[in-house]
Amino acid sequence: QQQVKQSPQSLIVQKGGISIINCAYENTAFDYFPWYQQFPGKGPALLIAIRPDVSEKKEGRFTISFNKSAKQFSLHIMDSQPGDSATYFCAASSNGGGADGLTFGKGTHLIIQP
Amino acid sequence: SAVISQKPSRDICQRGTSLTIQCQVDSQVTMMFWYRQQPGQSLTLIATANQGSEATYESGFVIDKFPISRPNLTFSTLTVSNMSPEDSSIYLCSGARDTGELFFGEGSRLTVL
Repeated sequence: QQQVKQSPQSLIVQKGGISIINCAYENTAFDYFPWYQQFPGKGPALLIAIRPDVSEKKEGRFTISFNKSAKQFSLHIMDSQPGDSATYFCAASSNGGGADGLTFGKGTHLIIQP
Repeated sequence: SAVISQKPSRDICQRGTSLTIQCQVDSQVTMMFWYRQQPGQSLTLIATANQGSEATYESGFVIDKFPISRPNLTFSTLTVSNMSPEDSSIYLCSGARDTGELFFGEGSRLTVL
């Protein structure tokens, strides 16, 4: 599987601040980019996903920004809350979705300080 | 989201034994997969569970070690065979819908002594 590079590995943000997690990919065949949120002892939960026909997608406080030419995408969490403290994984796949299996980044451990 | 149920949720096993993990998904799922997540690590795809035929394994995973069945559209099993401590991990069942969205079960946390 092609690599997806995720950064930072860990992130501490004050309550109310903006959390930003970045991912970069190599395989130009990737055309589906989801983000997952995982709490300890739980399975990953799909948070938001984007396809390369748009440069940005917003759902509530969560926004994905996508830069096709740079082969990068990022997750922004606005007004970060302590309940957002979790591990976040970016992922990528080809053929428009998870049907070919996803390639995951290494994860970002996010802590929101009250 | 899709409903994906896995069992057991956790188990402690002895070296050399085998454990079978079961996964049940709702009818909206078309594709099923098995992933492994080692403690504090990312997720790695083990195989695609194909209905009524042999699973498709990723590089580094073999059928003898991780036999997978999918007898119908909504059920699959993963067996971890001849376990060693290195197999201690979380094993996650996942299902994809026609829309491409991939959902995960809660995982089966396996500890091998």
